[in-house]
Amino acid sequence: QQPVQSPQAVILREGEDAVINCSSSKALYSVHWYRQKHGEAPVFLMILLKGGEQKGHDKISASFNEKKQQSSLYLTASQLSYSGTYFCGTEAYSGAGSYQLTFGKGTKLSVIP
Amino acid sequence: NAGVTQTPKFRILKIGQSMTLQCAQDMNHNYMYWYRQDPGMGLKLIYYSVGAGITDKGEVPNGYNVSRSTTEDFPLRLELAAPSQTSVYFCASGGTGTSNEQFFGPGTRLTVL
Repeated sequence: QQPVQSPQAVILREGEDAVINCSSSKALYSVHWYRQKHGEAPVFLMILLKGGEQKGHDKISASFNEKKQQSSLYLTASQLSYSGTYFCGTEAYSGAGSYQLTFGKGTKLSVIP
Repeated sequence: NAGVTQTPKFRILKIGQSMTLQCAQDMNHNYMYWYRQDPGMGLKLIYYSVGAGITDKGEVPNGYNVSRSTTEDFPLRLELAAPSQTSVYFCASGGTGTSNEQFFGPGTRLTVL
């Protein structure tokens, strides 16, 4: 089941902060965050694992509430280069010993001067 | 390293035609994935592979087939193209397990008329 992201779109001025939320109805093993610029492939930002381990970006932070199956991505002091569509991917057990990653519909972030 | 490469970049098919989308990676990753991306819908998993000779269905496998004879290559086959298969197709690869960064190829934009 596809995770739900909010907001769908946000416009920021340079230097402002933003929070993007991701929630799932399934018990999650991990949450992934990717950024995609227009006409390009998604690029990895971060993985948050059940149990607290994080792998990824130094300048972007995120949280993972395992009990609520929710994650938030925090973008502080936004730069023009932060513009793009942010996708969360939620990893959950899909049966027969395997896990699957399901992506949300994305949050479009526009940073203006 | 070239990373993940995909060919072709663009293709127009007529209804009922067949084609193969090529994907190769040179990072010695076990896991490889095929996604389709429709406007505003995020990434949908079509098929994935955990190693040479092993493939499994994702969320939207109907109308597609895959094979994985080597670690490096993971082609996606469309047998009878339909307008509903008009989309951007991304191939990705990752390490061992779903809880790792995925590296995406540049994508193939397919139009079925």
